[in-house]
Amino acid sequence: NAGVTQTPKFQVLKTGQSMTLQCAQDMNHEYMSWYRQDPGMGLRLIHYSVGAGITDQGEVPNGYNVSRSTTEDFPLRLLSAAPSQTSVYFCASSWGQAGQPQHFGDGTRLSIL
Amino acid sequence: TQLLEQSPQFLSIQEGENLTVYCNSSSVFSSLQWYRQEPGEGPVLLVTVVTGGEVKKLKRLTFQFGDARKDSSLHITAAQTGDTGLYLCAGAGYSTLTFGKGTMLLVSP
Repeated sequence: NAGVTQTPKFQVLKTGQSMTLQCAQDMNHEYMSWYRQDPGMGLRLIHYSVGAGITDQGEVPNGYNVSRSTTEDFPLRLLSAAPSQTSVYFCASSWGQAGQPQHFGDGTRLSIL
Repeated sequence: TQLLEQSPQFLSIQEGENLTVYCNSSSVFSSLQWYRQEPGEGPVLLVTVVTGGEVKKLKRLTFQFGDARKDSSLHITAAQTGDTGLYLCAGAGYSTLTFGKGTMLLVSP
């Protein structure tokens, strides 16, 4: 049972570089979301999607892009990495909306130098 | 923006002790979820409470949702070292989930 798979697990970038964090789920969940977790800040919502072709912004969307071309995949793109984006990123999915149990991946630990 | 305040931020206790973690907000949520997160892993759902005044038990863990659906508590009876972790509450709005900053629990033998 794969659940929610995030790749890569670790990444180091230089300021200004771009990259895509991958998230895939095999549970046919409609709702997917991206969070970042920083010390003392809890989990903050970056972007979310209620289904293929539909995305919306969360609390901290600046500097990030998302797309949802399939039900299974929800990639997060950093357009021009900044040190402030150093964080642990979690992808989550659920069969319904936000009020349903969220299944989280194990995270991507990203450092921007 | 809906805010969830968790207290305490950090709790260090001995095995066998009881503890309560609180999650408070000025906003009403349709439901409230509790997660536990261990180092290097994503949060894992413990319970969802939906009805005001609802009480749910999960072995030694008791969860309560406030009558006005603005606050919740998690009580652990006779804590064990395996209870160590970060406990997060999350309130569900129309289409998003708002997380508190978490309570880090350390249970020592």
